[in-house]
Amino acid sequence: EDKVVQSPLSLVVHEGDTVTLNCSYEVTNFRSLLWYKQEKKAPTFLFMLTSSGIEKKSGRLSSILDKKELFSILNITATQTGDSAVYLCAVPLGNSGYALNFGKGTSLLVTP
Amino acid sequence: ETGVTQTPRHLVMGMTNKKSLKCEQHLGHNAMYWYKQSAKKPLELMFVYSLEERVENNSVPSRFSPECPNSSHLFLHLHTLQPEDSALYLCASSQNRGDYGYTFGSGTRLTVV
Repeated sequence: EDKVVQSPLSLVVHEGDTVTLNCSYEVTNFRSLLWYKQEKKAPTFLFMLTSSGIEKKSGRLSSILDKKELFSILNITATQTGDSAVYLCAVPLGNSGYALNFGKGTSLLVTP
Repeated sequence: ETGVTQTPRHLVMGMTNKKSLKCEQHLGHNAMYWYKQSAKKPLELMFVYSLEERVENNSVPSRFSPECPNSSHLFLHLHTLQPEDSALYLCASSQNRGDYGYTFGSGTRLTVV
């Protein structure tokens, strides 16, 4: 059965800290792994990963995929209060061309 | 308007009411989706349309009825809902398959009383 598991489910850090969010997955016919940030309502796209070991970066955010161990991490360095959000990991379902299977998300709170 | 627009933003309805959620995308995408997001649960896929044809639907109760009149518009018709249907309903679109991700709308927060 395809599944996506994120950890931790919630996290509280101080501004300036570095955080690492985890996503492990099991899926038939892996094609990609996606990270989203959800602040109020609309999840917004962060990264799409398809190849192992190649880091994707956007400012203070970075992500990497390990297809052998079936997981991905999302790193946020020098966190700011604006990073407070739920971070979602998703993997296209193996037997579907369209559906994404989402994890429960990691709720991150950055305190001043 | 750009992106994916959902209306209304908030909706409170009684269990005997009929209402509709609307989604419009201005991205030229050819697939559209309805997802349900309940507290402490992952996003759940409800329906997928590609080029106005329904290509997938999970086991969704018949009190939810989707409609896709063209590739830019998607509706979710609601009738005789239950309190457990209260959730955030998110619309999304993608160009072709979902492998490259979706663009989401801001959602409709639905409360059934």
